Amino acid sequence: GIQVEQSPPDLILQEGANSTLRCNFSDSVNNLQWFHQNPWGQLINLFYIPSGTKQNGRLSATTVATERYSLLYISSSQTTDSGVYFCAGDTNAGKSTFGDGTTLTVKP
Amino acid sequence: DTGVSQDPRHKITKRGQNVTFRCDPISEHNRLYWYRQTLGQGPEFLTYFQNEAQLEKSRLLSDRFSAERPKGSFSTLEIQRTEQGDSAMYLCASSSLGSEQFFGPGTRLTVL
Repeated sequence: GIQVEQSPPDLILQEGANSTLRCNFSDSVNNLQWFHQNPWGQLINLFYIPSGTKQNGRLSATTVATERYSLLYISSSQTTDSGVYFCAGDTNAGKSTFGDGTTLTVKP
Repeated sequence: DTGVSQDPRHKITKRGQNVTFRCDPISEHNRLYWYRQTLGQGPEFLTYFQNEAQLEKSRLLSDRFSAERPKGSFSTLEIQRTEQGDSAMYLCASSSLGSEQFFGPGTRLTVL
């Protein structure tokens, strides 16, 4: 199966700072998604982004499918952005593989 | 539609007991997925259905695990003879064919 590597594993920011989270895939993937997991374990959909760039408020994401990576940008971070961010993708429209996540802590 | 729902949200059981979890997907979605997540890890794929057909099972899904989706709507995941290593969050997701997955709140299983 494919390998998914997320970096950095941990990130600590001051409120207002910007950050970039990266996701590398060992093979081409379909249906690439970014999630935020809240403290209760719920996975919240951030972006469905097999390729290209999307923006939603302070968050944006870019996927370069030919180079097998995706980036999640968080601008003007807030304490409520804290949590674990996951990327996931599948190679055959079924079995999704997740990375181990980036744990973001935003300090006031 | 309010999204994917799972029941129960928490389950505490003794080693050796059987447990069953239920997942109700978003109504128009024909695909349903089960994942397992342990502390500090990302979710790991267990199995998925397209309508009522179970199309793929992970090697993580031992003989003690069985999943069904009898009418192509809700799904159940049963674990027989639970072991302490089965303690985890069990997540269900649904999607339309070839589209993004939406996750339920999960069932947290603790095996004593």
